[in-house]
Amino acid sequence: GAVVSQHPSRVICKSGTSVKIECRSLDFQATTMFWYRQFPKQSLMLMATSNEGSKATYEQGVEKDKFLINHASLTLSTLTVTSAHPEDSSFYICSASRVAGEDEQFFGPGTRLTVL
Amino acid sequence: QKEVEQDPGPLSVPEGAIVSLNCTYSNSAFQYFMWYRQYSRKGPELLMYTYSSGNKEDGRFTAQVDKSSKYISLFIRDSQPSDSATYLCAMSEQAGTALIFGKGTTLSVSS
Repeated sequence: GAVVSQHPSRVICKSGTSVKIECRSLDFQATTMFWYRQFPKQSLMLMATSNEGSKATYEQGVEKDKFLINHASLTLSTLTVTSAHPEDSSFYICSASRVAGEDEQFFGPGTRLTVL
Repeated sequence: QKEVEQDPGPLSVPEGAIVSLNCTYSNSAFQYFMWYRQYSRKGPELLMYTYSSGNKEDGRFTAQVDKSSKYISLFIRDSQPSDSATYLCAMSEQAGTALIFGKGTTLSVSS
């Protein structure tokens, strides 16, 4: 149990286009989902925290108008990279917690974004 | 100073060796400590989870937390080639909040 999926697993797009990444909890309801970004040989850096039905909380330095997060249901959160540029190329990973206050987070397999 | 420091390695050991991976941190409010394993181009997989100080053992893996020294360790006994991966430490202040990750240590176990 506690499986998190991401779609797509890999996407290549042209500069200036928008890309949507989906994060789904397949067999549990996720009260909280987190979005991380990981550059090559770097750690995972938290971008934002989203709770179902409310606005996401963004970390300092993350542009909320560029990285749109929607957590419309207890099993789905989406991250849209708007007007993507080559510097946005990265590995985007989501994680989900089953219940509020549970510390174990289940990670998705990640989405590799390449912006040409 | 970064919140969590972890030597990125790489660390190369022969099969059967005991591996020691470590992280130090500066935030004394961290209470939850985790170790994740990440294979190339995959999401992290939880290996060990510890609350506050102490040791926890699971098969070939042992996690240690020393809050007084702000130091955590992961030991892998009888290492196998399949253990070759990047190991990330992570921690948080409260349950259910976002994790702060170390940079990860790349481990290679040769047969």
